[in-house]
Amino acid sequence: DGGITQSPKYLFRKEGQNVTLSCEQNLNHDAMYWYRQDPGQGLRLIYYSQIVNDFQKGDIAEGYSVSREKKESFPLTVTSAQKNPTAFYLCASTTMKGAFFGQGTRLTVV
Amino acid sequence: GESVGLHLPTLSVQEGDNSIINCAYSNSASDYFIWYKQESGKGPQFIIDIRSNMDKRQGQRVTVLLNKTVKHLSLQIAATQPGDSAVYFCAEAGTFAGGTSYGKLTFGQGTILTVHP
Repeated sequence: DGGITQSPKYLFRKEGQNVTLSCEQNLNHDAMYWYRQDPGQGLRLIYYSQIVNDFQKGDIAEGYSVSREKKESFPLTVTSAQKNPTAFYLCASTTMKGAFFGQGTRLTVV
Repeated sequence: GESVGLHLPTLSVQEGDNSIINCAYSNSASDYFIWYKQESGKGPQFIIDIRSNMDKRQGQRVTVLLNKTVKHLSLQIAATQPGDSAVYFCAEAGTFAGGTSYGKLTFGQGTILTVHP
């Protein structure tokens, strides 16, 4: 089935560690996005990529990094510079019907 | 900066009633809006969209109304069912290279819809 797959569903990180969240899509979409969602809040844009080997910062890029080496994949690294990383992370890819989302990764700092 | 916000954070209705969820936006240049439904622990699910050259758009049991004069969106759900219980977000699409960027979205806070049997 076509879709957007995020893994893992739950992730625990120790303070000072970098972690990488996976996002894969087989929809042949050019553009992919990473959002962060805090409890009781809407989504905020972290990074996005309109095409392979290119990406732009969103509204809250500090403490995060991405790569886009393949069209299907857009991994997000949460670095130790991100002071409050505990959140629900959502990956999306787009058509002219807007963004279609994966099921999310819940990251918790322990 | 620009923002999209919601008037009512919670809405409780009885099964079978119609629901109306409201949203205010501040960027008058926006030309594309989307409503999403998000169930607990899941990603947002596309419900319906509307462009700024339209006032109304209907889907299956859902209608979106756009009032550009007062920068207001609403989502109407007919014959609300318990399965409609979720958080509903409106989102505004940004621009990229002079065109609409369908994934560069600004989201509102969300409205929690609870449907009682």
